[in-house]
Amino acid sequence: GQNIDQPTEMTATEGAIVQINCTYQTSGFNGLFWYQQHAGEAPTFLSYNVLDGLEEKGRFSSFLSRSKGYSYLLLKELQMKDSASYLCAFMDSNYQLIWGAGTKLIIKP
Amino acid sequence: DTGVSQDPRHKITKRGQNVTFRCDPISEHNRLYWYRQTLGQGPEFLTYFQNEAQLEKSRLLSDRFSAERPKGSFSTLEIQRTEQGDSAMYLCASSLVGGGGNEQYFGPGTRLTVT
Repeated sequence: GQNIDQPTEMTATEGAIVQINCTYQTSGFNGLFWYQQHAGEAPTFLSYNVLDGLEEKGRFSSFLSRSKGYSYLLLKELQMKDSASYLCAFMDSNYQLIWGAGTKLIIKP
Repeated sequence: DTGVSQDPRHKITKRGQNVTFRCDPISEHNRLYWYRQTLGQGPEFLTYFQNEAQLEKSRLLSDRFSAERPKGSFSTLEIQRTEQGDSAMYLCASSLVGGGGNEQYFGPGTRLTVT
């Protein structure tokens, strides 16, 4: 079967670093995606990993280990505007996204 | 602005009425997806199109839901005989499968409230 899991909520301090983990199980895999979603808005694309390793994009980095079914999103130098939900999703063999429920990130001053 | 537009942005309707939503994807994208999202959950897949062909529809989707994508351009999602449980954000996304990243770009969504 297919499933994906991520923590429901995390809290971090402005200026700090936070890592949001995501684990998944699937037989067909075409990549792992991270999206950011502010309350009441649509998800916006952050990153895509299809090979093992770390992808860095400014303050955000995403890591993938296909053998472990594991990914994380690393946010550095946190800003108040980073308060949002972060959704991980894997793409299955039919190029469909299977979504986690999202991690609500709360940034405190 | 991702280039995907949806109309209307908000819809309030009475139970039992029919509603129709429209999505205009990024023009060069070949796939168009419809999702439904409720508070605290990830997007729930409803259906998707490859060009004008509807390739899959969620087994959880009742017969009251229908979608079209004539000529492989814009798409419409119709809900007949709406129920209070249909209240949700309806999201449309498009992607270019086979063109590289496969990432989906979302429209702003249509928030449906059924009273």
